[in-house]
Amino acid sequence: GAVVSQHPSWVICKSGTSVKIECRSLDFQATTMFWYRQFPKQSLMLMATSNEGSKATYEQGVEKDKFLINHASLTLSTLTVTSAHPEDSSFYICSAWTSGYSYNEQFFGPGTRLTVL
Amino acid sequence: GDSVTQMEGPVTLSEEAFLTINCTYTATGYPSLFWYVQYPGEGLQLLLKATKADDKGSNKGFEATYRKETTSFHLEKGSVQVSDSAVYFCALSRDSSYKLIFGSGTRLLVRP
Repeated sequence: GAVVSQHPSWVICKSGTSVKIECRSLDFQATTMFWYRQFPKQSLMLMATSNEGSKATYEQGVEKDKFLINHASLTLSTLTVTSAHPEDSSFYICSAWTSGYSYNEQFFGPGTRLTVL
Repeated sequence: GDSVTQMEGPVTLSEEAFLTINCTYTATGYPSLFWYVQYPGEGLQLLLKATKADDKGSNKGFEATYRKETTSFHLEKGSVQVSDSAVYFCALSRDSSYKLIFGSGTRLLVRP
């Protein structure tokens, strides 16, 4: 149980285009979903937190107009990287939390590797 | 601010060897501490956790003890297996907070 999937697992796009990454909770309803970014050999950095039906809360330094997050249902959150540039190339990971688990026990997706040419 | 420092990898061991992956943290107060594991192609999974000083978290033969005096939470296993090959992340979070602060991860490779 508590499986989270991400799609696509990897994507290559041209500079200036937008890319959408999906995060789904497969067997539970995710009250809250999180988006992380990971650079090579570095930690996961929390980008934003989203609750179903409300606007995402972004961490300091994360451009909300560049990284659009939508959490339209209890099983799906999307991250859209708008007007992507090579510096946006990274590994993006989502996680989900549901009631019944401790506040900091999140279930992670396998990640999406974005390469912007 | 809060931070987590892990030993750099990769760590390469032979099967049945003893494993230690060092983790130290910087935080005010009393954070909860975690070890997550990421197997190839999969998401991070919670391996073990400890919520207060001197607590020992354990799971699947792995152990880690919350040492407040040395601000450490080192991961140990007495006899590793090839199937333990993965990336291990140390993390902390504050009470009543969803925010997880991760270390950079340590890749473990166990050879037969």
